[in-house]
Amino acid sequence: AQSVTQPDIHITVSEGASLELRCNYSYGATPYLFWYVQSPGQGLQLLLKYFSGDTLVQGIKGFEAEFKRSQSSFNLRKPSVHWSDAAEYFCAVGAPGGSEKLVFGKGTKLTVNP
Amino acid sequence: NAGVTQTPKFQVLKTGQSMTLQCAQDMNHNSMYWYRQDPGMGLRLIYYSASEGTTDKGEVPNGYNVSRLNKREFSLRLESAAPSQTSVYFCASRERFAGEGAFFGQGTRLTVV
Repeated sequence: AQSVTQPDIHITVSEGASLELRCNYSYGATPYLFWYVQSPGQGLQLLLKYFSGDTLVQGIKGFEAEFKRSQSSFNLRKPSVHWSDAAEYFCAVGAPGGSEKLVFGKGTKLTVNP
Repeated sequence: NAGVTQTPKFQVLKTGQSMTLQCAQDMNHNSMYWYRQDPGMGLRLIYYSASEGTTDKGEVPNGYNVSRLNKREFSLRLESAAPSQTSVYFCASRERFAGEGAFFGQGTRLTVV
């Protein structure tokens, strides 16, 4: 069964600084990987996804993520954070050709200081 | 496009009462999901349905039942609500056998007193 770990519960960065949110997964093969963002009181919005091909994927709002098989990681990055990026970010893993189960990490809350 | 629609948006129940949370999607997706979100716990999968007529348990199924009524609708039932079921519930759908992400509803905030 697949699982996801987001090691950082809360991260604070200054506006304009770079950002990296960590995600580690556990799965026996190459999984589907996703990053979602949730603003307060809102549902979840898909930022980007990976399931094959280029290991560096681009998403919406200037985010990108890199799949590293050797490290079982799928870290989310942004070169310059904006105040509007303050939200909670979730990494998720799915199982290709498997059970259709989609499992989420516990999330990382991002605070952006002016 | 409506996407994924959940009803109701808010609900207060007394301990022991029952209720059904409704979810409908208009994207012709095969797979549908129910999650609960609690502070510090992220989203935990309650049940999912890979296709019409099939349902499977997720990480936290105890105290819940589901029905995949047809391809569009996937309901979540609490037979005897408990305070531990106070949470925000999200329904989601996505296309099966594809690397597409799931689309989420706006959530149902349930309080059990």
